Amino acid sequence: NAGVTQTPKFQVLKTGQSMTLQCAQDMNHNSMYWYRQDPGMGLRLIYYSASEGTTDKGEVPNGYNVSRLNKREFSLRLESAAPSQTSVYFCASSARGVAETQETQYFGPGTRLLVL
Amino acid sequence: GDSVTQMEGPVTLSEEAFLTINCTYTATGYPSLFWYVQYPGEGLQLLLKATKADDKGSNKGFEATYRKETTSFHLEKGSVQVSDSAVYFCALLNSGGSNYKLTFGKGTLLTVNP
Repeated sequence: NAGVTQTPKFQVLKTGQSMTLQCAQDMNHNSMYWYRQDPGMGLRLIYYSASEGTTDKGEVPNGYNVSRLNKREFSLRLESAAPSQTSVYFCASSARGVAETQETQYFGPGTRLLVL
Repeated sequence: GDSVTQMEGPVTLSEEAFLTINCTYTATGYPSLFWYVQYPGEGLQLLLKATKADDKGSNKGFEATYRKETTSFHLEKGSVQVSDSAVYFCALLNSGGSNYKLTFGKGTLLTVNP
């Protein structure tokens, strides 16, 4: 049981390049999330998917797109990377059952992205 | 909107010292409250949680009590160890509307010296 996995672990991009961050979970969770972590800012939600087939914007969606490919996988795409997108990106998932407010989110190990 | 404020770090303690990391929140309704921990180079892990007023969450010697009257969820540990060195995040989960999204504080870096 791997939990939440993310690829790649580290990536360097040049301004204007595109890339897709991959996330997969093997816990049969309904909901998945993408966060970015910046020094002194905590974690901020980029996009989330409450269930397969749905996606919604979070706090900082500009410059990103997402795809909920199936129940297991949720990808984050940067179409034209900018230096302001240098960050650590975390994917998370939760079961989202009956007692949603008691939900625990399970996090992946993160992807460190540097945009030059 | 919802927000979480936690004490700014870094916090540096000697082994076996008492730890308190303050956390207060602003939210409508009845959120659940969480402490997550991030060890160096890793993702976040749930440390403990409390889902209603006066609940106490506890794990690995850490405790936090959900105080609705003071809108607080302070993290405490009686005797810290070097292995507790990490970044600690306070967070809330509010079911307002249809959005079940965690709101995080900015994190507090704890360093425990031998």
